Amino acid sequence: AQSVSQHNHHVILSEAASLELGCNYSYGGTVNLFWYVQYPGQHLQLLLKYFSGDPLVKGIKGFEAEFIKSKFSFNLRKPSVQWSDTAEYFCAVNAGYGGSQGNLIFGKGTKLSVKP
Amino acid sequence: GAGVSQSPRYKVAKRGQDVALRCDPISGHVSLFWYQQALGQGPEFLTYFQNEAQLDKSGLPSDRFFAERPEGSVSTLKIQRTQQEDSAVYLCASSLMTRPEYEQYFGPGTRLTVT
Repeated sequence: AQSVSQHNHHVILSEAASLELGCNYSYGGTVNLFWYVQYPGQHLQLLLKYFSGDPLVKGIKGFEAEFIKSKFSFNLRKPSVQWSDTAEYFCAVNAGYGGSQGNLIFGKGTKLSVKP
Repeated sequence: GAGVSQSPRYKVAKRGQDVALRCDPISGHVSLFWYQQALGQGPEFLTYFQNEAQLDKSGLPSDRFFAERPEGSVSTLKIQRTQQEDSAVYLCASSLMTRPEYEQYFGPGTRLTVT
C-alpha cells in the first residue's frame, strides 16, 4: 500500500530563514505528488504539484519542491520564510491512473511556526 | 465563484446518534471526494464519486458510514450509531474532471465531536 512520511512534526523558524520540509513516499510505480497548505482557520489549498517533466517544480508564494525518484522524495523548500508562511503543510501522493482515479494519500503534516 | 461548502461546520453528537454531513461542490465538478482527518493526522480517503456513481468506497471504516450523491452534485455523508472514534474533521473535495492532474478543491470541513 502507498504511504507518505513527513519527517518533521513541528518546525520553528525565524523570518528570513530557509525552509526545507521532508517528504518520502512508498510506491514503485508512476506517482503524482502534491504539497498542500492549511493556513490557520482556512481550508486546505494546493501549493504545488508534480506529474512529469522537470523534477524541480515551483508553486505559489515562492515555494518549490524537488522530486528525486531514486530517493522516493519530494521535499518542499523556500529560501526565505515570512511570518505569513505559518501554517500546516501536507505532502500527498496519488498513484497515477490506477486504483481510485484520484484519491490522495496524505502524510501526517508538518506544522511550521515562523517567529517575526 | 463559490468554493466547496460544507455544513454544518461543527456537530456534536451523543454516542449512538446518527449524523448527516453535507457537501456542496463547485458547480460543474464531476469528481467528489470525502476524507476523514483525525486530530494530529493528515486527511484519509473515505470515498469517491464520479457524478452520481460511487466508484470507490474502500476507505469507509465500517458499514455505519454511508455516502450518496443522488443527482451528481450535492453529497451527504451519513454516520449511523456514532462512536467516539468517529470524532474527526470530515473534509469534502471536488475536482473538475476524473483525472488526478485536476486539482482537488477542499471545503472547510465539518468537525464532528462524539460525546
